[in-house]
Amino acid sequence: DAGITQSPRYKITETGRQVTLMCHQTWSHSYMFWYRQDLGHGLRLIYYSAAADITDKGEVPDGYVVSRSKTENFPLTLESATRSQTSVYFCASSENIAANEQFFGPGTRLTVL
Amino acid sequence: KQEVTQIPAALSVPEGENLVLNCSFTDSAIYNLQWFRQDPGKGLTSLLLIQSSQREQTSGRLNASLDKSSGRSTLYIAASQPGDSATYLCAVRSGMGTSGSARQLTFGSGTQLTVLP
Repeated sequence: DAGITQSPRYKITETGRQVTLMCHQTWSHSYMFWYRQDLGHGLRLIYYSAAADITDKGEVPDGYVVSRSKTENFPLTLESATRSQTSVYFCASSENIAANEQFFGPGTRLTVL
Repeated sequence: KQEVTQIPAALSVPEGENLVLNCSFTDSAIYNLQWFRQDPGKGLTSLLLIQSSQREQTSGRLNASLDKSSGRSTLYIAASQPGDSATYLCAVRSGMGTSGSARQLTFGSGTQLTVLP
């Protein structure tokens, strides 16, 4: 399917476990982004990537790790999940950082017990 | 640091009414502004993108305006329908600096719109 997909859509895990959220886009967009959405905070940028093997921190990167070995994939890993990381996570992509729109995936709802 | 505010947080209108959603931002040095729609439990759908050099953009019953100097944007929805019920998010891409992070999207908290049949 064309577009941007995320998996899993729902995940429940326990404190201290490692969790990886997957994001895949079929447009060959250069830029990819990870956001978290929380009540009272809106969407906040965690990490972004300008191209394969190029990543940079956003507003709230602590506790998260990203990689981008292929243009189409941008996985987000929580190395040791904490309750404060319970959130809805959105992946997005954009053709470039300048004039173009960002397109969002459907989101992953993560609960850390 | 750019801050984006959307007022009101929630709005309920009868079907057929024209309505305006407001978005304000603190730093007028923006690259562009994007309006999104989010349905419950779903992702964000891009509605309109306004570049900093533009004053407005239109798509169907939607019209978005941008006044950079005053730090404001409005989303006008004509002849509202129950299917328009959703949360509307405004996001600003700041234009200053060479660092990529300086040109990321900053989101408002959204306006939750309910259109009553």
